Amino acid sequence: AQSVTQPDIHITVSEGASLELRCNYSYGATPYLFWYVQSPGQGLQLLLKYFSGDTLVQGIKGFEAEFKRSQSSFNLRKPSVHWSDAAEYFCAVGEGSGGGADGLTFGKGTHLIIQP
Amino acid sequence: NAGVTQTPKFQVLKTGQSMTLQCAQDMNHEYMSWYRQDPGMGLRLIHYSVGAGITDQGEVPNGYNVSRSTTEDFPLRLLSAAPSQTSVYFCASSYFPPPGANVLTFGAGSRLTVL
Repeated sequence: AQSVTQPDIHITVSEGASLELRCNYSYGATPYLFWYVQSPGQGLQLLLKYFSGDTLVQGIKGFEAEFKRSQSSFNLRKPSVHWSDAAEYFCAVGEGSGGGADGLTFGKGTHLIIQP
Repeated sequence: NAGVTQTPKFQVLKTGQSMTLQCAQDMNHEYMSWYRQDPGMGLRLIHYSVGAGITDQGEVPNGYNVSRSTTEDFPLRLLSAAPSQTSVYFCASSYFPPPGANVLTFGAGSRLTVL
């Protein structure tokens, strides 16, 4: 069964500093990978996705992520964080075989705190 | 506004009571799903539907029922609420089942407390 690990439960970053959130997945075939962001009291918003092609994908709000098959990773990065980036971030994986009717598998989330 | 609408946003129940969480989307999405979000657990799939009249179980279906009589609506029913069902519930939809080239659109969530 597919699984997603986000090793960091909490991360604190100073405003203006760079950010990297880690995500490792376990899946045998070609994964479909996603990063979602959840602001307090809100639903989940898609930041970016990887299906195929260029392993470095650009998303909204200045985020990017790189798919590394050899490391089974899909880490999220941002060169300079803003206070408004404080939120919960979820990595998710889905089947690449076309049988994804059972939804996505989500990681447990990383809570990002921005220090002034 | 187009999107996924969930009601109510907040609900408090007593153990044993029943209730329905409503979910409606106006994007003509065929696929709809319910997730629950618990601290430290991420999101877990409860039930999903690939079209009107078709539903199936996800990872944590016990204690919940669903039906899909129209494309737009996908209500989640708790027949006899238990404290273990205290959670935040999210409805999500997409044109086709994930992942494919489809992206799930999430509602704002319904926070349920069972006393």
